[in-house]
Amino acid sequence: EVQLVESGGGLVKPGESLRLSCVASGFFVSTYTMNWVRQAPGKGLEWVSSISSSSTYIYYADSVKGRFTISRDNAKNSLYLQMNSLRAEDTAVYYCAGGGSGAFGVVSWFDPWGQGTLVTVSS
Amino acid sequence: QSVLTLPPSVSAAPGQKVTISCSGSSSNIGNNYVSWYQQLPGTAPKLLIYENNKRPSEIPDRFSGSKSGTSATLGITGLQTGDEADYYCGTWDSSLSAYVFGAGTKVTVL
Repeated sequence: EVQLVESGGGLVKPGESLRLSCVASGFFVSTYTMNWVRQAPGKGLEWVSSISSSSTYIYYADSVKGRFTISRDNAKNSLYLQMNSLRAEDTAVYYCAGGGSGAFGVVSWFDPWGQGTLVTVSS
Repeated sequence: QSVLTLPPSVSAAPGQKVTISCSGSSSNIGNNYVSWYQQLPGTAPKLLIYENNKRPSEIPDRFSGSKSGTSATLGITGLQTGDEADYYCGTWDSSLSAYVFGAGTKVTVL
């Protein structure tokens, strides 16, 4: 069974850091562009960051650029998101997703998806 | 405010057809692939359509996608109560160097 399992979410104070992890089973992440997508409570989907299969292409949403760092370890079949200087507006469920991409790592689609991990930033 | 425009909601009776239009621009839909996602209440999103009009093998052919110019459309035929969900379109925006989603459309089965 193809599965992505996120971990590392929790309650932190503004300005603090958190590291999210995502472990895949049933498929090899090495062949996929991997992504983080978040969803604030009661809101729509917001793309956060993507990393190509060999880490050649990395993209971030403007809202997290300079604060978040995406990385991957294909040997561990894992994806990570280091989140620094967290803000209240970063509060969301963070989904890990595999996906397809084209030239220059341009993201085309997201599949499969994990079940998400909740990050709450509050004093 | 999303760069992709979706209607907030659509509704129809069981067995009927609904279409959801996603409007963008030449920097996103006009020059990149569109995908569609279904999010049932309390669950993770699921890929319905990729590369404008392709369906993953597990998605029934009641779901279809198309693209013309700077707009894309998701069609759902034979509407079922289990189709009540939020639907999102998404694509790459070449000007932003970012992936963008529409704000979501809530489908209600009357």
